[in-house]
Amino acid sequence: SQQGEEDPQALSIQEGENATMNCSYKTSINNLQWYRQNSGRGLVHLILIRSNEREKHSGRLRVTLDTSKKSSSLLITASRAADTASYFCATDRRRALTFGSGTRLQVQP
Amino acid sequence: DVKVTQSSRYLVKRTGEKVFLECVQDMDHENMFWYRQDPGLGLRLIYFSYDVKMKEKGDIPEGYSVSREKKERFSLILESASTNQTSMYLCASSLSWYRGRSYEQYFGPGTRLTVT
Repeated sequence: SQQGEEDPQALSIQEGENATMNCSYKTSINNLQWYRQNSGRGLVHLILIRSNEREKHSGRLRVTLDTSKKSSSLLITASRAADTASYFCATDRRRALTFGSGTRLQVQP
Repeated sequence: DVKVTQSSRYLVKRTGEKVFLECVQDMDHENMFWYRQDPGLGLRLIYFSYDVKMKEKGDIPEGYSVSREKKERFSLILESASTNQTSMYLCASSLSWYRGRSYEQYFGPGTRLTVT
């Protein structure tokens, strides 16, 4: 079952613009994580936000979490062509994670 | 630098063959996972292991089995490969969960399996 669902499915922006991706989930969570996947490769962990946190930053990444709305957003500021990838949110489940289907981000140089 | 390695990047097998996909991690992680990834479906959990010789079914275990005889190695076995098992297979590892809270997962590069 897909706990997290990303929106939009695909996003195309120009270099230097900001990119925002959203994730909605259905049941209560302890943590929510964001991952990035370059084409044909494994996933790389970006950031983990706990249920008692509202916002977290890491470099050009900003993640917010609204547990009342069961949603999270990932903001990439001043995007670069190298940010072109698929982005996934993942939520806790018993001993494992459930991943959404991802947002494909294309950053045009 | 942390590392998860998978035995093959690309694999082509015939229908009915027994297929072994191997995953090795060097981080002394308790948890290891196998996912398959298909276009439009995201990552789906096949099996995971939280200790040596311990395993749990994920969302799509049918047609697969796993083996974890050593902490660093987790194998996925396709007992009799079928064309609908053509997919990208991803292995991951993580620290053991603490009080129901997850840790980040470290992924291998993936194995693209084609069954003809």
